[in-house]
Amino acid sequence: AQSVTQLDSQVPVFEEAPVELRCNYSSSVSVYLFWYVQYPNQGLQLLLKYLSGSTLVKGINGFEAEFNKSQTSFHLRKPSVHISDTAEYFCAVINRDDKIIFGKGTRLHILP
Amino acid sequence: KAGVTQTPRYLIKTRGQQVTLSCSPISGHRSVSWYQQTPGQGLQFLFEYFSETQRNKGNFPGRFSGRQFSNSRSEMNVSTLELGDSALYLCASSLGVMDGYTFGSGTRLTVV
Repeated sequence: AQSVTQLDSQVPVFEEAPVELRCNYSSSVSVYLFWYVQYPNQGLQLLLKYLSGSTLVKGINGFEAEFNKSQTSFHLRKPSVHISDTAEYFCAVINRDDKIIFGKGTRLHILP
Repeated sequence: KAGVTQTPRYLIKTRGQQVTLSCSPISGHRSVSWYQQTPGQGLQFLFEYFSETQRNKGNFPGRFSGRQFSNSRSEMNVSTLELGDSALYLCASSLGVMDGYTFGSGTRLTVV
């Protein structure tokens, strides 16, 4: 069964520093991967998605992610974070039943 | 265009009562999915409706039910509320699962 693992529950990083949020997936079929962001007291918002093609995917707010089939990873990166990036980030995969399965989430804390 | 609208935003109910939550999807989206979000369990899939039919169902007891109307609006109902049902309930709509979901801001249910 498809699943995603977000290795870090919380990531602290200084403002203007780079950040990488890790996501690993398990899948025996075609892989469709997503990153969502949830700001406080809001629903989730789609950051980016990988369906096929180029393994480097660019999303909104300066985020990008790289699909790595050999390492079964889809890590999210941003070269320079801002205080407004404080949020919870969810990696997700589509399973055989066409359901989106979410990881447990990673809280990004931006330190001044 | 208007986003996904969930009503009410906040709700306080007593154990044993029942509750109905409403979700209006983005115009043209026929798929509506519901998720329960809690700090301990993260995002858990409840069910998905497409063209008034339940297409997928998560592992929740029968107290949790839903429906979708011909205009794609959806409701979910929880009967005989338990303290553990306290959570943020998120609704998401999509054109197709690979397009990604658009989430509403959620309904925060507190059971006392």
